[in-house]
Amino acid sequence: EVQLVESGGGLVKPGGSLRLSCAASGFNLDEYTINWVRQAPGKGLEWVSSISSRSSYIFYADSVKGRFTISRDNAESSVFLQMNSLRAEDTARYYCVREEDFSAYGDSWGPGILVTVSS
Amino acid sequence: KFMLTQPHSVSGSPGETVTISCTRSTGNFGNFSVHWYQQRPGSVPMVVMFFDDQRPSGVPDRFSGSVDSSASSASLIISGLKTEDEADYYCQSYDASSWVFGGGTHLTVL
Repeated sequence: EVQLVESGGGLVKPGGSLRLSCAASGFNLDEYTINWVRQAPGKGLEWVSSISSRSSYIFYADSVKGRFTISRDNAESSVFLQMNSLRAEDTARYYCVREEDFSAYGDSWGPGILVTVSS
Repeated sequence: KFMLTQPHSVSGSPGETVTISCTRSTGNFGNFSVHWYQQRPGSVPMVVMFFDDQRPSGVPDRFSGSVDSSASSASLIISGLKTEDEADYYCQSYDASSWVFGGGTHLTVL
């Protein structure tokens, strides 16, 4: 069974940092692109970042560029999102989303992890 | 960057057919496919249509997708509405470096 499980969320003050992890199981992570998608409370979906299977292609939304860094360790079946200089508007549930390379859609989503940025 | 525009809400009675539209501001779905996700209250989004009109296994054939001839507008059509279809629906497309989601449409089954 395909599983994606996020961890590392929580409450952080503005300007602080968090590192989210996405643990993958039930499939070969090194054959898939992984995206992070977030959803602010009561709002719609917003794409955040993506990393291709071999880390050859990495992209960010303008809203997080320069503050967030995506990375992966295929040997450990994990993908990470380092989030620095956090702002109140980064408060959201963050989903780890699997994408077959270059298909450009998410075929499997993790349950998400909540990140709250507040003083 | 382009935008995807969806109606804020649609509604229908059980057994009826509803259509949710998605309009792309620039570019067209001919070059960049559209995908659709369903998000029931308190649940994780799940894909219900990909590559314009392809239905994942497990999604009932009451769900169908289309792109109009100009390829600037796409639709998710749900026929034979059931109460379990009440959810938020998001269209999603992409360009060379990013995904873009529509604002979402809340479907109410009356």
